[in-house]
Amino acid sequence: DAKTTQPTSMDCAEGRAANLPCNHSTISGNEYVYWYRQIHSQGPQYIIHGLKNNETNEMASLIITEDRKSSTLILPHATLRDTAVYYCIVRVATYNNNDMRFGAGTRLTVKP
Amino acid sequence: DTGVSQDPRHKITKRGQNVTFRCDPISEHNRLYWYRQTLGQGPEFLTYFQNEAQLEKSRLLSDRFSAERPKGSFSTLEIQRTEQGDSAMYLCASSLEVEKLFFGSGTQLSVL
Repeated sequence: DAKTTQPTSMDCAEGRAANLPCNHSTISGNEYVYWYRQIHSQGPQYIIHGLKNNETNEMASLIITEDRKSSTLILPHATLRDTAVYYCIVRVATYNNNDMRFGAGTRLTVKP
Repeated sequence: DTGVSQDPRHKITKRGQNVTFRCDPISEHNRLYWYRQTLGQGPEFLTYFQNEAQLEKSRLLSDRFSAERPKGSFSTLEIQRTEQGDSAMYLCASSLEVEKLFFGSGTQLSVL
């Protein structure tokens, strides 16, 4: 699975959009981009995933560049409860690929 | 609560003792995963079950570690002859699909 690079930490003002970048320059054509987050003292929580098209759900939007070498997770109106570590993961989504490999992630702090 | 349940939440043990953790997945989920997480790091994959079959084990899972999932329901993770390096958060996750893992809140193990 391709390696990802994320900033160690970011701050965001409450109510503003939080844009979390992820670099995955060695991504293969059949690898998906996944985002999970982990709030303090909890297990990780699935946010969103995509292959090449932009995706949106009730939690966030995922923007993947045309060359697929990077992506951005967007939380449109960050709240204090969005303070967490955000993990960008790239992996092949096949029936037999069972491990979701987490890096160190980006620690997002939403400030009032 | 229909989420993934882990027990106990915290475990303190002395070096050399055996410990066992339990995970109750979401009831209809046939996939079950164990991860380990140390401070400041993302979760690391340990092992995976599909129903009662243990299909994948990480090299991190030494011979002191054993996991079971009898009857494809709950799972247990046992660590024999614990070492201080085993101190970590042990996370369980379950899923129906390969993309969306649902994590429990973990068992925090401290080996003195």
